[in-house]
Amino acid sequence: GAVVSQHPSWVICKSGTSVKIECRSLDFQATTMFWYRQFPKQSLMLMATSNEGSKATYEQGVEKDKFLINHASLTLSTLTVTSAHPEDSSFYICSARWGQGVGEQYFGPGTRLTVT
Amino acid sequence: EDQVTQSPEALRLQEGESSSLNCSYTVSGLRGLFWYRQDPGKGPEFLFTLYSAGEEKEKERLKATLTKKESFLHITAPKPEDSATYLCAVSRSGGYNKLIFGAGTRLAVHP
Repeated sequence: GAVVSQHPSWVICKSGTSVKIECRSLDFQATTMFWYRQFPKQSLMLMATSNEGSKATYEQGVEKDKFLINHASLTLSTLTVTSAHPEDSSFYICSARWGQGVGEQYFGPGTRLTVT
Repeated sequence: EDQVTQSPEALRLQEGESSSLNCSYTVSGLRGLFWYRQDPGKGPEFLFTLYSAGEEKEKERLKATLTKKESFLHITAPKPEDSATYLCAVSRSGGYNKLIFGAGTRLAVHP
């Protein structure tokens, strides 16, 4: 149980284009989903938190107009990187959890984005 | 300021050589401490949640313990397939269930 999927697993796009990444909780309803990015040999950096039907809450320093997050249902959240630039190239990982109390987050397999 | 520090940064073990990874934390109002395993190019895999000092949890060759200031992940008789980066994270009161991650310990187990 507690499986989270991401699509695509990797994507290459040209500078200036937009890319959408999907995150799905397959066997549970996720009240909250999180988006992280990870640079090589570094730990996870939280970008934003999203609750179903609400606007995402972005971490300090994360441009909300550049990284659009939509949590349309209890099993789906999307991250759209708009007007991508090479510096946006990174490993993007989503996680999901259920309930309101303390509980673990379950992570997706990640999406490798390369902007050329 | 909330902080999670993991040590060592990297650890090389021979197969069967038991050891421990450390996670020390400074956080106001700990709600939970989490251990994850991450393989290269993949998302973190959940291992354990610890909620209060004195709590211990085990899974196969791994055992996690928690005190008021730190947590240990003990690896008994490791095998090469235990090679991975082990991440520690905490959740604090008023933190809206966000996790604060440490930098991780890269473990390499050689046959």
